[in-house]
Amino acid sequence: DGGITQSPKYLFRKEGQNVTLSCEQNLNHDAMYWYRQDPGQGLRLIYYSQIVNDFQKGDIAEGYSVSREKKESFPLTVTSAQKNPTAFYLCASSPLGANEQYFGPGTRLTVT
Amino acid sequence: GENVEQHPSTLSVQEGDSAVIKCTYSDSASNYFPWYKQELGKRPQLIIDIRSNVGEKKDQRIAVTLNKTAKHFSLHITETQPEDSAVYFCAGGADGLTFGKGTHLIIQP
Repeated sequence: DGGITQSPKYLFRKEGQNVTLSCEQNLNHDAMYWYRQDPGQGLRLIYYSQIVNDFQKGDIAEGYSVSREKKESFPLTVTSAQKNPTAFYLCASSPLGANEQYFGPGTRLTVT
Repeated sequence: GENVEQHPSTLSVQEGDSAVIKCTYSDSASNYFPWYKQELGKRPQLIIDIRSNVGEKKDQRIAVTLNKTAKHFSLHITETQPEDSAVYFCAGGADGLTFGKGTHLIIQP
């Protein structure tokens, strides 16, 4: 899991602003994922991508957007349309065809 | 889609005793069941996993059992230690993973 990085660790934004969270991996993993974690809610899938230039919505995609222009990078944009953006955001990756997912250190986003 | 339920939400045990966390799943197509440990403010770490062709797997003090018929799987931690205190998540799926809501395990000295 040391090969997955997320930046920054803490992020503060004003309501109405879009913000982009970074996720990079050097594990040569094909699949990448974004999860949102809220207290008592576990991890909920926002978006995932199994190959460059392709991605799919997860369970809670509304108000978020992603891109996958490079295998190593899967940035997540939290838009102003997301009603409750304050949360801990986790990125994960896995080799194509494998089930195991390995997580980055997370970004804690606070929107006021 | 898959639905994973996890119980209990909080579990407090005396140091040295065993802890058991249980999960159920709904999708019979799910074939992979990992367990993650998350310490406060840290990333979830994969601690053990089991596939649907196996009924039990052990790794030192931790073990996981799977009952495909009943669609439930459990995490067993023996001889608990203070460093076992954390939130534990189960997950299940085939192409992707659906996570349970987590169990906060507290080890009492």
